[in-house]
Amino acid sequence: EVQLVESGGGLVQPGGSLRLSCVASGFTFNTYEMNWVRQAPGKGLEWVSHISSASRTIYYADSVKGRFTISKDNAKNSLSLQMNSLRAEDTGVYYCVRVSGSGRHLDYWGQGTLVTVSS
Amino acid sequence: DIQMTQSPSSVSASVGDRVTITCRASQDVSFWLAWYQQKPGKAPKLLIYAASSLQSGVPSRFSGSGSGTDFTLTISSLQPEDFATYYCQQANSFPRTFGQGTKVEIK
Repeated sequence: EVQLVESGGGLVQPGGSLRLSCVASGFTFNTYEMNWVRQAPGKGLEWVSHISSASRTIYYADSVKGRFTISKDNAKNSLSLQMNSLRAEDTGVYYCVRVSGSGRHLDYWGQGTLVTVSS
Repeated sequence: DIQMTQSPSSVSASVGDRVTITCRASQDVSFWLAWYQQKPGKAPKLLIYAASSLQSGVPSRFSGSGSGTDFTLTISSLQPEDFATYYCQQANSFPRTFGQGTKVEIK
């Protein structure tokens, strides 16, 4: 069974940093691309970042470029998102998501971790 | 960036109704379009990928169609468990983008 379990969310002040982690199980992690997707309270889904299976290709949304860093540790079956210079508008639930091996769709989602940026 | 526009933003329907949601892309995304269902407090769930392929385990009352810039998600006979918010997403290019969502409510 595919499982994605996020951790690391919490309350942080504007300008602060936070590191999110996602531990994957139930599939061969090193062969899959991964994404982070977020959702502000009461709002829609926003794609945040993409990393290829071996970390050679990385993309970011313009809203987080230069502040967030995605990384993938295939030896530990883990995905991370380092978030720096956090802003109030970064508040929301962050989902760790697997990209399907047979296409580009997002086939498995974690339960999400809540990040709140507030003073 | 490719903009995804869903319509309607919300729809009120009864159990057994046929519901259609449309998604329009600001430029050609070929068939790289997926649909997701999200219930309150839960993670999104993949319903349809590659515009018209049904994800394993998803009931056959869900179907998708379209290519290029215009896409449709159809629920042929609405069931109580289908009341949720639905999102389209293009996967043709980066940045990936989602539609704003369509909330299907009980009439």
